Amino acid sequence: DVVMTQTPVSLSLAIGQPASISCKSSQSLLGTSGKTFLNWILQRPGQSPKRLIYQVSKLYSEVPDRFSGSGSETEFTLKISRVEAEDLGVYYCWQGTHFPRTFGGGTKLELK
Amino acid sequence: EVQLVETGGGLVRPGSSLKLSCATSGFTFSNTWMNWVRQAPGKGLEWVALIKDKYSNYEANYAESVKGRFTISRDDSKSRVYLQMNTLRDQDTATYYCTRSPGDYWGQGVMVTVSS
Repeated sequence: DVVMTQTPVSLSLAIGQPASISCKSSQSLLGTSGKTFLNWILQRPGQSPKRLIYQVSKLYSEVPDRFSGSGSETEFTLKISRVEAEDLGVYYCWQGTHFPRTFGGGTKLELK
Repeated sequence: EVQLVETGGGLVRPGSSLKLSCATSGFTFSNTWMNWVRQAPGKGLEWVALIKDKYSNYEANYAESVKGRFTISRDDSKSRVYLQMNTLRDQDTATYYCTRSPGDYWGQGVMVTVSS
């Protein structure tokens, strides 16, 4: 199985500060189609997960452009240029290239 | 508007069965791959199963932890996806979410508690 390793486990940041979350996979997520199926989702407290980014760097239409995704093969990063209050929650990366699908352990973003 | 609504959860004894249902609307269900993902209380997300569309012969894939006990199925005429869970264990206690592949829309989740 592809192991997804997220760091850090938690982040405590003030509003306006930048954030960076790393996600590393134990195998390349580049698929035979030439696409890399690495996704980011956010689970706010008490809610179901919400979409953020797909295929490494593509933002869903409603996601603010302070979010960005980058990376390739086995190393990926989610960045928030300036954290806002609505960004708190747990961020997960997960891969859709290989079966079984696998999730990172999550990164909890708290506001300082 | 895309909607996914899970039903069928509850409290059951170890060894028993339960069938979850996910009603969908707002998109072309018949050509969409669908997943079940679960989250044990206070824990992270765990992928459970995926079912492909008719063009991929409804192929199903499972997590090792549920293989042979859980069955994912779909009814394209009703735009629903199901998860038949047999021989339930304490460790299956979780909130179960249905989600479109590639995880762009998620339901609100349904709680399954397995306890004696």
